[in-house]
Amino acid sequence: EAGVAQSPRYKIIEKRQSVAFWCNPISGHATLYWYQQILGQGPKLLIQFQNNGVVDDSQLPKDRFSAERLKGVDSTLKIQPAKLEDSAVYLCASERGGEAFFGQGTRLTVV
Amino acid sequence: AQSVTQLGSHVSVSEGALVLLRCNYSSSVPPYLFWYVQYPNQGLQLLLKYTTGATLVKGINGFEAEFKKSETSFHLTKPSAHMSDAAEYFCAVTVGGSQGNLIFGKGTKLSVKP
Repeated sequence: EAGVAQSPRYKIIEKRQSVAFWCNPISGHATLYWYQQILGQGPKLLIQFQNNGVVDDSQLPKDRFSAERLKGVDSTLKIQPAKLEDSAVYLCASERGGEAFFGQGTRLTVV
Repeated sequence: AQSVTQLGSHVSVSEGALVLLRCNYSSSVPPYLFWYVQYPNQGLQLLLKYTTGATLVKGINGFEAEFKKSETSFHLTKPSAHMSDAAEYFCAVTVGGSQGNLIFGKGTKLSVKP
């Protein structure tokens, strides 16, 4: 069974630019999460989807971050405009049967 | 509100020695508790979890953890460390429902000396 796929693996952008990350969850997993992991900290939930609906986006900075999951499968997370403090690893996870499976993440560096 | 505190950002043990990584939680409702491991440049992998029932939980790679409600703890142990155990370990809590909607601790980096 293929795991959670994320792309790109690495991205470097200048502040005020925009960036998008892509996630393909494990087939059949209805629940999808995006986490932000800043260096030296544990991951922090940004948004949770159930199929193509948002369940929890209470910690998503909505002035600059947006996410969608069209058709209830793939998901994209966008940042516009990026700030220096957005430098982090962005992890996608999908869940089934009470276990969350994480992708390798996208490491974003904002300079 | 739920929270997790991991005591010790770095732990170093010798190969073959006991591994003990500490985790304390705060929750106003019965918690579900998790330990995840993260190898460099990798995603997180579930080691074990406690939901209900037996308080001593066994996981992969010889790890186990004991839920102690009176101490609000969920410490991770392994009797004998192996070089391959070197990684970062995260304790996490959720209040049930979606077991991927997690609050993580800051992590403990485990080093294993030969």
